[in-house]
Amino acid sequence: GAVVSQHPSRVICKSGTSVKIECRSLDFQATTMFWYRQFPKQSLMLMATSNEGSKATYEQGVEKDKFLINHASLTLSTLTVTSAHPEDSSFYICSAGRGQGYEQYFGPGTRLTVT
Amino acid sequence: GESVGLHLPTLSVQEGDNSIINCAYSNSASDYFIWYKQESGKGPQFIIDIRSNMDKRQGQRVTVLLNKTVKHLSLQIAATQPGDSAVYFCAENRAGGFKTIFGAGTRLFVKA
Repeated sequence: GAVVSQHPSRVICKSGTSVKIECRSLDFQATTMFWYRQFPKQSLMLMATSNEGSKATYEQGVEKDKFLINHASLTLSTLTVTSAHPEDSSFYICSAGRGQGYEQYFGPGTRLTVT
Repeated sequence: GESVGLHLPTLSVQEGDNSIINCAYSNSASDYFIWYKQESGKGPQFIIDIRSNMDKRQGQRVTVLLNKTVKHLSLQIAATQPGDSAVYFCAENRAGGFKTIFGAGTRLFVKA
């Protein structure tokens, strides 16, 4: 149990366009979902925390108007990278929390390349 | 965002040897710690966790040690195998919160 999926796994887009990444908890309801970004050979950087039905909480330095997060249901959160630029190219990873515990279950990641 | 964004240190071990990966965490208020394994192009995979009221926890071939006095965490892997080659991250949760903050990571190479 506790499987998290992401779609797409890889996406290439042109500079200036927007890209949507989906994160789904397949076999449990996620009270909280998290979005991370990871540049090559670096650690995961938390971008934002989202709770179903409420606005996401963004980490310092993360532009909320550029990285739109929607948590429409207890099993789906989406991250939209608006007006993407080459510097947004990265590995985006979501995770989902279940219940009151600290356990998080990570998705397989989405590789975004902006040309 | 919070993280440590440095280039990854590397640990190289011989197959069959024990590996020890170290991590220094930042916040004395953190009360839950996790080790993750990440293979290339994949999301992090849970290995083992420990709460702050413990100083040692064992799993299958893995042991986590927590030293709260010096804010240090270590992961010991017994009889390291080629399949253990990956990047290992420690992570901490702040008390009362769901945010997980990742450490810098260590790349483990296992030589056959």
